[in-house]
Amino acid sequence: QVQLVQSGSELKKPGASVKVSCKASGYIFSNYVLNWVRQAPGQGLEWMGWINTNTGNPTYAQGLPGRFVFSLDTSVSTVYLEISSLKAEDTAVYYCARSTSDVGNYWGQGTLVAVSS
Amino acid sequence: DIQLTQSASTLSASVGDRVTITCRASQSINSWLAWYQQKAGKAPNLLIYKTSTLESGVPSRFSGSGSGTEFTLTISSLQPDDFATYYCHQYYTYPYTFGQGTRLDLK
Repeated sequence: QVQLVQSGSELKKPGASVKVSCKASGYIFSNYVLNWVRQAPGQGLEWMGWINTNTGNPTYAQGLPGRFVFSLDTSVSTVYLEISSLKAEDTAVYYCARSTSDVGNYWGQGTLVAVSS
Repeated sequence: DIQLTQSASTLSASVGDRVTITCRASQSINSWLAWYQQKAGKAPNLLIYKTSTLESGVPSRFSGSGSGTEFTLTISSLQPDDFATYYCHQYYTYPYTFGQGTRLDLK
């Protein structure tokens, strides 16, 4: 069965970096794109972009700061979200989601990134 | 960016009620609209895609309709498990966007 398993919660200080992982299983990794979606505490969903798991090419939502970088390691069927120079407003739950026909139908469990001094 | 506006941020209803949530897009998105259900502390769960196609395993009491800029999610007979937050989502053009969410709670 399709599974996306994300890394655990992180507590970071402002200015630090974090790397969130999303490990896929149960399907051919390179056949489906993976999206990143975030949800600030008590807020709605925000699509951040996606990564082509065949080419490694990322597509970022307009306005997403360059501090956010998507990457992947096909050898372990894993995509990554790295956020540098963390700010308090980056505090959110970050989800990866696999798309079928452009809509995310399988989601990871979410990773809370909390930024606080 | 395409803005999606859901008709209510909160909706109160009772078990057995028929409930409709509306989502309006700031420009036409053809039929590229999905609906998600999210429960507290959980990832969103896809209910409907391409306006009206039910995702596998989703109960038939959920249905979707609309086109262009106006869309609806209908729950024909509300069940206790349906109290959650619902989001519409356009995937017609980048950046993909979500509605602000509608929390469905018990009257």
